[in-house]
Amino acid sequence: QKEVEQNSGPLSVPEGAIASLNCTYSDRVSQSFFWYRQYSGKSPELIMSIYSNGDKEDGRFTAQLNKASQYVSLLIRDSQPSDSATYLCAAKNAGKSTFGDGTTLTVKP
Amino acid sequence: KAGVTQTPRYLIKTRGQQVTLSCSPISGHRSVSWYQQTPGQGLQFLFEYFSETQRNKGNFPGRFSGRQFSNSRSEMNVSTLELGDSALYLCASSLVSGSTGELFFGEGSRLTVL
Repeated sequence: QKEVEQNSGPLSVPEGAIASLNCTYSDRVSQSFFWYRQYSGKSPELIMSIYSNGDKEDGRFTAQLNKASQYVSLLIRDSQPSDSATYLCAAKNAGKSTFGDGTTLTVKP
Repeated sequence: KAGVTQTPRYLIKTRGQQVTLSCSPISGHRSVSWYQQTPGQGLQFLFEYFSETQRNKGNFPGRFSGRQFSNSRSEMNVSTLELGDSALYLCASSLVSGSTGELFFGEGSRLTVL
């Protein structure tokens, strides 16, 4: 079992729809959770960080964390073609970030 | 504010050679982490340095090593290169070490081993 697992893609949504990305982690000592976006041929860039249970909203993005279920999610509202990328979920503990394999999202105009 | 700078961006080596990659973190960031990204294995943690000390290490053989200088710049070295070392090597800086701290990635060094 991988330490961080993401829902298998690819995920395709129409423009303006909500995209839902999910992630589970196995290491209960993980304390911080992050979503990174990686465009093809580029390096990952941070979208959201979440440290405590509940929801965290930033513009069109909402991250959700449930430590009891070891579950992290990212909702993208009003999806745009520019959101088309691979989204990486990461769990961090003691300086080490463990990444999932990523979910590739395509937003169709 | 300048981002994370990695050099060289591309390099080609042959099996058995060694390579040194360099990373300059964002000004003020003292934590530097290194990751290997391949299509088959994804992003894998190599090591983290903070204040010139290695704080954490991933599951890579001893051929992979690194160091950090007093100005927070970091280098990683891979000796006795193997074909499987072909990958994108990403450096990420963070303001803090430990279990918090967001990562800011450089553009990466793409290594091809022939």
